[in-house]
Parts: sequence; structure tokens; C-alpha cells
Amino acid sequence: QVQLQESGPGLVKPSETLSLTCTVSGGSIDTYYWNWIRQSPGRGLEWIGYIYYSGSTTYNPSLKSRITISVDTSKNQFSLRLSSVTSADTAVYYCARGQGVVVQFSFMDVWGQGTTVTVSS
Amino acid sequence: QSVLTQPPSASGTPGQRVTISCSGSSSNIGTNTVNWYQQLPGTAPKVLIYDNNQRPSGVPDRFSGSKSGTSASLAISGLQSEDEADYYCATWDDSLNGQVFGTGTKVTVL
Repeated sequence: QVQLQESGPGLVKPSETLSLTCTVSGGSIDTYYWNWIRQSPGRGLEWIGYIYYSGSTTYNPSLKSRITISVDTSKNQFSLRLSSVTSADTAVYYCARGQGVVVQFSFMDVWGQGTTVTVSS
Repeated sequence: QSVLTQPPSASGTPGQRVTISCSGSSSNIGTNTVNWYQQLPGTAPKVLIYDNNQRPSGVPDRFSGSKSGTSASLAISGLQSEDEADYYCATWDDSLNGQVFGTGTKVTVL
């Protein structure tokens, strides 16, 4: 049974960089699309971006200038860095596995439990 | 501002059928497959329907999905109290080149 676990600081100061890691256990990070999604308090889901196991990435255009997603296959982990954060980046951050032959026909079948990140001085 | 529009709420009594709509455009629903996610209070989303109308193992057949043109629907038949949750449609948008989620629908069991 594949499981995902997010980890990282729960509090980040404005203008600093948010860094989160998702550890994949019970299966390999090889193949699949590995996604980051966030949910602001009382709001809906927002897709941040994904990385394919090969290292290719696609990001949400509205966040693209501030995002870096990377993968470490040796550790079965992938990571998110979001720079220049503001209070608008306060949210629960989820990592999720994307399943599908091509990304246009993919779906997220395994999700982490989520980690709350608050941006505040 | 999501490109997929859902009604903010839906409700029904136990045993009733509830339908949730998801309206998009030719660059998303009109071209790609639609997935539905259920988010129970305080938990992570869970895939309920994928590829427009496929149920993962373990999802009751009370849940069904359909797609026509640039819209999709999720139906819950035989509504149960444990179905109280937020429901989100999702698909790929070719114009944005990214995954998009619907605005979400809160289902209440009266």
C-alpha cells in the first residue's frame, strides 16, 4: 500500500521560501506524476504543479515564477519550494500521486494527509 | 477563480438521489477526462470517480459519473449520512496547461 507523507516547517515568515518534502513509502517513485496541491482556509483545492519521475515539471501558471518542484529518486522523495511567500500562501499543502498514461487523462489516486503551513512574522 | 463551476451546495434526505454538476469549456472538460474527489471534514481528498465514469475499487456503486460536451455530473443515489462532504470535479486544461479543480460542492444530508 503506497503512502505519502508531507514534512516541513509549519511556520514561514513573509518574503521567505516555503520548503516541503513528500516521502513515498510502500512503493517506488518511478513512473507516475507527483503532484502538489494546496487548500487555503475555507477555500477550494488549488493545483500547484507536478514532477514526472524523470524530472520533467509542469507548474500552475499563476505560481510558476515562484515554484520549484524536484525529485530525489534515491530517497523516494519529491519536494516543493515556494519563494517570496505572503499570507495568501497560508494553506494546507498536500502531495498526491498522479496515475495515468498521459497527464491529460490522469487522476490523483493516493494523497498525503496534508501539512498546514502558516505565513506569519 | 476556477475555470470549472460547481454549485456551492446540494442536499437531500437519506435514500434520495443528489446530482452535482461541473461546467467547463472546450479546453478542459470538452477535451480531457473528468475526475471527482470527495473530501470528508478534516481529511485529505479521495478519488471517487476517474476517467469520467470509473470507480476505484472500494467506492460504492451508489456513486456514478458522466460527461457530455463541456459538462460533467456526479450522482449519489441512496444518499447516506456518511456522504456529507465536499465534492470537487477536476480535469486537465489544455489552455492553461495544468490541472484545474472545480469550485467545490458541499453536500448536506438532511
